[in-house]
Amino acid sequence: ELKVEQNPLFLSMQEGKNYTIYCNYSTTSDRLYWYRQDPGKSLESLFVLLSNGAVKQEGRLMASLDTKARLSTLHITAAVHDLSATYFCAVAMDSNYQLIWGAGTKLIIKP
Amino acid sequence: DTEVTQTPKHLVMGMTNKKSLKCEQHMGHRAMYWYKQKAKKPPELMFVYSYEKLSINESVPSRFSPECPNSSLLNLHLHALQPEDSALYLCASSQVYPSYEQYFGPGTRLTVT
Repeated sequence: ELKVEQNPLFLSMQEGKNYTIYCNYSTTSDRLYWYRQDPGKSLESLFVLLSNGAVKQEGRLMASLDTKARLSTLHITAAVHDLSATYFCAVAMDSNYQLIWGAGTKLIIKP
Repeated sequence: DTEVTQTPKHLVMGMTNKKSLKCEQHMGHRAMYWYKQKAKKPPELMFVYSYEKLSINESVPSRFSPECPNSSLLNLHLHALQPEDSALYLCASSQVYPSYEQYFGPGTRLTVT
């Protein structure tokens, strides 16, 4: 059974600081996703990571994938208040591409 | 048009009411999904329709009744819901099922009183 563990579940940080959210998964998968969700809103797709060593960057967010370690990271550089949201990672099952979700990381960035 | 739309945005209903949620996409996708998301939790898959046929029902109680009248439209009929059914209901679509690429709608915030 594919399990996805995300940590930390809650993160409060100051503007201007750097931090990393981790996503571990238990079996092989072809794809890993990062989503952002603002309170009461839908899911916004941030990154899709397809292969070992994949790195994608958008603004202050950078995501990477290590398929051998079954680990993805979402790194936040010089955080700004607008990045406050809940971030989910999700892994696609090889058999039917169904998404298995991490629990989410609630990120609060204080001015 | 790369959008999935959902109506209504918000819905408040009593436990004896019957209501419906609606989802539409005009991307030519042949698979559509319903997810339920409780506060502070990740989404949970409820149903998957592929070519207007129900492919997956994740043991959802019968008080939730999905319907796919055509390839662009997906409904979720609600009857005799419980307060614990209050959640954000997300619709998604993909070109086919299974697919790696799902497009999520904005969601319907449902409150059962």
